[in-house]
Amino acid sequence: SQTIHQWPATLVQPVGSPLSLECTVEGTSNPNLYWYRQAAGRGLQLLFYSVGIGQISSEVPQNLSASRPQDRQFILSSKKLLLSDSGFYLCAWSVIELTGAIYEQYFGPGTRLTVT
Amino acid sequence: AQSVSQHNHHVILSEAASLELGCNYSYGGTVNLFWYVQYPGQHLQLLLKYFSGDPLVKGIKGFEAEFIKSKFSFNLRKPSVQWSDTAEYFCAVGPSNTGKLIFGQGTTLQVKP
Repeated sequence: SQTIHQWPATLVQPVGSPLSLECTVEGTSNPNLYWYRQAAGRGLQLLFYSVGIGQISSEVPQNLSASRPQDRQFILSSKKLLLSDSGFYLCAWSVIELTGAIYEQYFGPGTRLTVT
Repeated sequence: AQSVSQHNHHVILSEAASLELGCNYSYGGTVNLFWYVQYPGQHLQLLLKYFSGDPLVKGIKGFEAEFIKSKFSFNLRKPSVQWSDTAEYFCAVGPSNTGKLIFGQGTTLQVKP
């Protein structure tokens, strides 16, 4: 069965420090991968998605970047954190059907980031 | 612009009461529709989904949702809620060719025992 891991689970970082959040998926090949940020009362906002190694699409302009160095690894980074980067970050994956269609997404446990 | 609107931000019900959470979307093409649920301390998980066919779809734990294309709505219902249904509920829509989803802002459901 497929599983998705995220770490760390929680993180407290000072403003201006770098960030690296990691997401890995097991039990599937060539998944689509996604990074979301969840803010209280504001739902989930798609930040990045990737259809393959080295292929990243950014959905919103921001202080963050993403990379996919391996098929099942997705990394969210920042060179200098801002207070506004605080939030709950979720990684997700989805399967591409033989028809090319993509359906539901499966979410990881998330990382709670507090920037102080 | 594509958007999803959930009508209720916070709903409080007593056990055995009926539930309906509203969801309306704005999207120009064919969409897949989802309801996700996040129980306290747990992962976001899929409650139910609609891709095509019967517009009334049934999900886990007695939930169902009806897709009304003319109203761009996908409301979630449950005839009788339980205390264990206390959670945050998210409606999401997206095209099937990218898998990208647009989420509503979420509805927090509190069920009183």
